[in-house]
Amino acid sequence: AQTVTQSQPEMSVQEAETVTLSCTYDTSESDYYLFWYKQPPSRQMILVIRQEAYKQQNATENRFSVNFQKAAKSFSLKISDSQLGDAAMYFCAYRSGKGGATNKLIFGTGTLLAVQP
Amino acid sequence: DAGITQSPRHKVTETGTPVTLRCHQTENHRYMYWYRQDPGHGLRLIHYSYGVKDTDKGEVSDGYSVSRSKTEDFLLTLESATSSQTSVYFCAIRELATGADTQYFGPGTRLTVL
Repeated sequence: AQTVTQSQPEMSVQEAETVTLSCTYDTSESDYYLFWYKQPPSRQMILVIRQEAYKQQNATENRFSVNFQKAAKSFSLKISDSQLGDAAMYFCAYRSGKGGATNKLIFGTGTLLAVQP
Repeated sequence: DAGITQSPRHKVTETGTPVTLRCHQTENHRYMYWYRQDPGHGLRLIHYSYGVKDTDKGEVSDGYSVSRSKTEDFLLTLESATSSQTSVYFCAIRELATGADTQYFGPGTRLTVL
């Protein structure tokens, strides 16, 4: 079974600085997708970024980028120029690339990011 | 927000009471999901649906049932609520139209079972 591990329960960053959140996963599959979701205090789950395992290029969305290391099964999220609005819980998630109805996401336990002014 | 609403947003109920949570979507998505979020566990899949009247169990389905009589609504029922079902419940849809094949979530329902 696939698992997702986020080893940093809490992180802190100064406004305008850069922070990296860690995520590792375990799978025997070669085709899969990885995601980072943000959950601010409003509780809404917001997609931050996605990565297809078959793509070697790391995904980027504005200030958010990932470092995808397939062999190491590592998928870290880098937030550049941190802003107060980035303060949230961040979840890493895995999804199998196999076809089928389930399409379920497997989540890590989350990293709570605090942004200091 | 992918046009997903959940109702109610907050509910407090007593042990043994039946509870139904509703997820409503406006964009004709075929696939819908119910997850629960608990501290230390992230989100875990309860049930999912792959079409009207087509549903199946996820990893934490005990004590829950679902129904989908029309495309836009996916109902989650706790037949007899227990304190262990105190949680935040999220509905999600699977977005395929854009080619991204990504799940988007509703705003969540906080359920407290006393």
